Amino acid sequence: SQTIHQWPATLVQPVGSPLSLECTVEGTSNPNLYWYRQAAGRGLQLLFYSVGIGQISSEVPQNLSASRPQDRQFILSSKKLLLSDSGFYLCAWSGRGQQYFGPGTRLTVL
Amino acid sequence: AQSVSQHNHHVILSEAASLELGCNYSYGGTVNLFWYVQYPGQHLQLLLKYFSGDPLVKGIKGFEAEFIKSKFSFNLRKPSVQWSDTAEYFCAVNRASNTGKLIFGQGTTLQVKP
Repeated sequence: SQTIHQWPATLVQPVGSPLSLECTVEGTSNPNLYWYRQAAGRGLQLLFYSVGIGQISSEVPQNLSASRPQDRQFILSSKKLLLSDSGFYLCAWSGRGQQYFGPGTRLTVL
Repeated sequence: AQSVSQHNHHVILSEAASLELGCNYSYGGTVNLFWYVQYPGQHLQLLLKYFSGDPLVKGIKGFEAEFIKSKFSFNLRKPSVQWSDTAEYFCAVNRASNTGKLIFGQGTTLQVKP
């Protein structure tokens, strides 16, 4: 069966520090992968998606970037975090007509 | 641009009450429609989905949703809620022809009082 992992589960970072969130998928090959963010009091916003290794599409202009160095690995990064980057970050993969979500990372930027 | 609107941001019900959560989307083409749920401390998971066919879709845990194309709506319903239905509910849409990118509504927090 397919599973999706995200780490860390929670993270508290100072403004201006770098960020790296990792997502890995098991049990499937060549999945479409997605990064979403849920800010406080708001819905989920699609940040990036990837249809293959090295192929990244950005949905909104922002302080973040994404990379896909391996087929089942999706990384969300920032060189310098802003206060507005705080939120709940979800990774997802799509298959069988739906998306499957990871447990999420709660990021607090202070 | 596509958008999804959920009209109820916070709903409080007593057990056994009926539930209807509104969802409207703005896109004139063919869409796939979803309701996701996030129970406290758990992953976001699929409740039900509509791709084509019967516009009344039944999902897990007694939930159903009706697609009304003329109203661009996909409202979620349950005849009798339980305390365990306390969760956050998200409506989502994607274009039938794209890479699966989902556009989510703002979410509705449902609190069921025992």
